[in-house]
Amino acid sequence: DIVMTQSPDSLALSLGERATINCKSSQSVFSSSYNKNYLAWYQQKPGQPPKLLIYWASTRGSGVPDRFSGSGSGADFTLTISNLQAEDVAVYYCQHYLRTPHTFGQGTKLEIK
Amino acid sequence: EEQLLESGGGLVQPGGSLGLSCAASGFTFSSCAMGWVRQAPGRGLEWISALSYSGYSTYYADSVKGRFTISRDNSRSTLYLQMNSLRADDTAVYYCAKVPGADASSPDWYFDLWGRGTLVTVSS
Repeated sequence: DIVMTQSPDSLALSLGERATINCKSSQSVFSSSYNKNYLAWYQQKPGQPPKLLIYWASTRGSGVPDRFSGSGSGADFTLTISNLQAEDVAVYYCQHYLRTPHTFGQGTKLEIK
Repeated sequence: EEQLLESGGGLVQPGGSLGLSCAASGFTFSSCAMGWVRQAPGRGLEWISALSYSGYSTYYADSVKGRFTISRDNSRSTLYLQMNSLRADDTAVYYCAKVPGADASSPDWYFDLWGRGTLVTVSS
């Protein structure tokens, strides 16, 4: 199975700052068949189900603000949240979907200072 | 509006069985693969199962293989999860989720729509 490891486990930043969350997979999640990285990011706010933020490592989901961006390739990925807003307080998860099981990272909790 | 609504959660004794349902609306259910993800109290997300648009191809995490069965009824736009031999560590909120892709020939197996979840508690 592919193991997904996120860092840090938590971070606290001020409004307007930039948040950077990393995700590393135990194997490359790039497929040459489609020339894509099989990596998604989700946001889970307190008491809510997860919401898709990013897929194919860098494509924003429907309605996701452009403050959210994804980057990386192979086995190293980054979610960047620019101009941090109060509503961004949440736990963020990465997930690969290259082959089953489509494992998630352990999550990164983002708080506002 | 696309929507998923889980039901069937509750309290069950260790070793018991429980069946979950997920009613879909607002999209063409029969064209999409579907999956289940669970979240133990205070913990992260765990992918547990998925199946193709037709239901012919099914996939399971090792933690539930042989105990859980995923299925679907496209005529009712409903996804199911039959859970047998339940253990205390199966206690979690169970989410159903929609996959944009249809089957293994499609690469789009991320989850683009989630239900609100149903709580399963395994305890004596």
